[in-house]
Amino acid sequence: GENVEQHPSTLSVQEGDSAVIKCTYSDSASNYFPWYKQELGKRPQLIIDIRSNVGEKKDQRIAVTLNKTAKHFSLHITETQPEDSAVYFCAASKGYGGSQGNLIFGKGTKLSVKP
Amino acid sequence: DTGVSQNPRHKITKRGQNVTFRCDPISEHNRLYWYRQTLGQGPEFLTYFQNEAQLEKSRLLSDRFSAERPKGSFSTLEIQRTEQGDSAMYLCAVGSSGGFITDTQYFGPGTRLTVL
Repeated sequence: GENVEQHPSTLSVQEGDSAVIKCTYSDSASNYFPWYKQELGKRPQLIIDIRSNVGEKKDQRIAVTLNKTAKHFSLHITETQPEDSAVYFCAASKGYGGSQGNLIFGKGTKLSVKP
Repeated sequence: DTGVSQNPRHKITKRGQNVTFRCDPISEHNRLYWYRQTLGQGPEFLTYFQNEAQLEKSRLLSDRFSAERPKGSFSTLEIQRTEQGDSAMYLCAVGSSGGFITDTQYFGPGTRLTVL
């Protein structure tokens, strides 16, 4: 089955710097790659997603890139702010509902932005 | 609106007791998912509903777990004879396809279960 690896597990940056989190997936049939932000004790919140028909997507300070050949995708956060501090999860899925539609998550990256 | 509410938010129980959690999507969603999240890990898929039909169950869902979605709206997850290893956050998510073949999933706040 699908396996998603996420690196690094922790990341500390200074406010204003950029942060990059990388994920690799194993199943070439995966076609949807969301990123979730989870603050302590709260629900995972979708921050950006990308589908396999595009290579890059940007939303203000957040961007995601996808390399289907290498089977990896990355989250880029520019001009980091202390409120960006949280755990970030990447995920992959490959179909519509059922076992194909469920998300397979990475183990998460704890991002700390120091003021 | 893709909001989801879950109740209770916290549940503490003794080993061997039964517990039931509820998930209420704020608006209509054909597809509803249950996940389990343990400390320091990403959510893990448990089961999935298309309307009222339970179409998929993970191997994580032992015989002690049962889920229902009787009218295709709210859903319940019951754990019988709880064990300490069941302690986790139980998350419900609703899916919205937007015309794509994969769902964008929005999570509820979760129910944190502690089994003593």
